[in-house]
Amino acid sequence: EVQLVESGGGLVQPGGSLRLSCAASAFTFSSYWMSWVRQAPGKGLEWVANIKQDGSEKYYLDSVRGRFTISRDNTKNSLYLQIISLRAEDTAVYFCAREGASGSAIFDYWGQGTLVTVSS
Amino acid sequence: DIQMTQSPSSLSASVGNRVTITCQASQDISNYLNWYQQKPGKAPKLLIYDASNLETGVPSRFSGSGSGTDFSFTISSLQPEDIATYYCQQYDNLPFTFGPGTKVDIK
Repeated sequence: EVQLVESGGGLVQPGGSLRLSCAASAFTFSSYWMSWVRQAPGKGLEWVANIKQDGSEKYYLDSVRGRFTISRDNTKNSLYLQIISLRAEDTAVYFCAREGASGSAIFDYWGQGTLVTVSS
Repeated sequence: DIQMTQSPSSLSASVGNRVTITCQASQDISNYLNWYQQKPGKAPKLLIYDASNLETGVPSRFSGSGSGTDFSFTISSLQPEDIATYYCQQYDNLPFTFGPGTKVDIK
């Protein structure tokens, strides 16, 4: 069964940094685009970033570009999101999601999410 | 960015009733439109992809239609386990964007 398990969230002060991880299993991780999607408390879903199978292409939401860095390690079946200069508005549950086999952004599997809270 | 709107923002219906949610894109997105179900405290679940294709394992009471800018999502016979928030999502253009969600409740 396909599994995505996020980790690395927590309470961080404004201006701090964090690295989120997503461990993938039961599918050929290196064959899929992967995305991060976040959800602020009580709010809707917001796509944040994605990365191509070999890591050669990365795309970001304008409001996070320069502060968020998506990466992957196909030898470890893992996806990462490095976040710096954290702001209160970054407080959210961060989900990793697999994109469809055709390379389309059809998010067919999601992790359970990891909560990032930015507060002093 | 492509803006996605949904209506209604919430609805309440009786078990067995038909429920329809609409989603509108701010520009033509062809059929690059997906629908997700999210229950409280859980991750979203893909129900419909490419506007009208039912994801494997999803009950056939769920359906989707539309193309261009106007889309709809229907639950043909609402069940208690369908209580959730439903989101549409476009992937025609980056950034991929979601609608604000429609919360479905049982009357």
